[in-house]
Amino acid sequence: DAKTTQPNSMESNEEEPVHLPCNHSTISGTDYIHWYRQLPSQGPEYVIHGLTSNVNNRMASLAIAEDRKSSTLILHRATLRDAAVYYCILRDLNAGNNRKLIWGLGTSLAVNP
Amino acid sequence: KAGVTQTPRYLIKTRGQQVTLSCSPISGHRSVSWYQQTPGQGLQFLFEYFSETQRNKGNFPGRFSGRQFSNSRSEMNVSTLELGDSALYLCASSLTSGSYYEQYFGPGTRLTVT
Repeated sequence: DAKTTQPNSMESNEEEPVHLPCNHSTISGTDYIHWYRQLPSQGPEYVIHGLTSNVNNRMASLAIAEDRKSSTLILHRATLRDAAVYYCILRDLNAGNNRKLIWGLGTSLAVNP
Repeated sequence: KAGVTQTPRYLIKTRGQQVTLSCSPISGHRSVSWYQQTPGQGLQFLFEYFSETQRNKGNFPGRFSGRQFSNSRSEMNVSTLELGDSALYLCASSLTSGSYYEQYFGPGTRLTVT
């Protein structure tokens, strides 16, 4: 089963860019890369997802390595509200293969004022 | 548009009892997934329902079960509760099944088993 590896924690300063890495060396061709974040005392919140090409939305950018074995979530200007646990997960295009979906513990991002 | 709602928000049960948790997805969403979140294990996938059918099931014992109704609302049930079942149970809804679509999570139900 494809797994992801993320650093336990990272720290950033307000209004600076943040690059959150994720390794997924066993990714399969049908795995989408999803990023979610969880603010304190809330359920996870969708951030962005992609398959092969880099993706941008109003919240963040997702940079996917050419071999797809790693990806980076980019927050262009961190705010205090971005302090959260960030999860990188793989979801198989074939829905029936998501039975062993594991999120792991994610990266806890601290943002300093 | 109203978000995903889960009831109850907090629950305290005794070992051996059973519990039923409820989830109402975002209007129009037909897929509902359930997760268990504990400090040491992170989020673990329980099961996914789509059009009243279970599409996926995680590696949890048979004491954990679920169902989905025709209006897409879903319930999960845990029988013969154990202390280790204490966790935050999260429900997520999605437009349809499949990994292309993002999931929207509810605030969770905090279950404490004593």
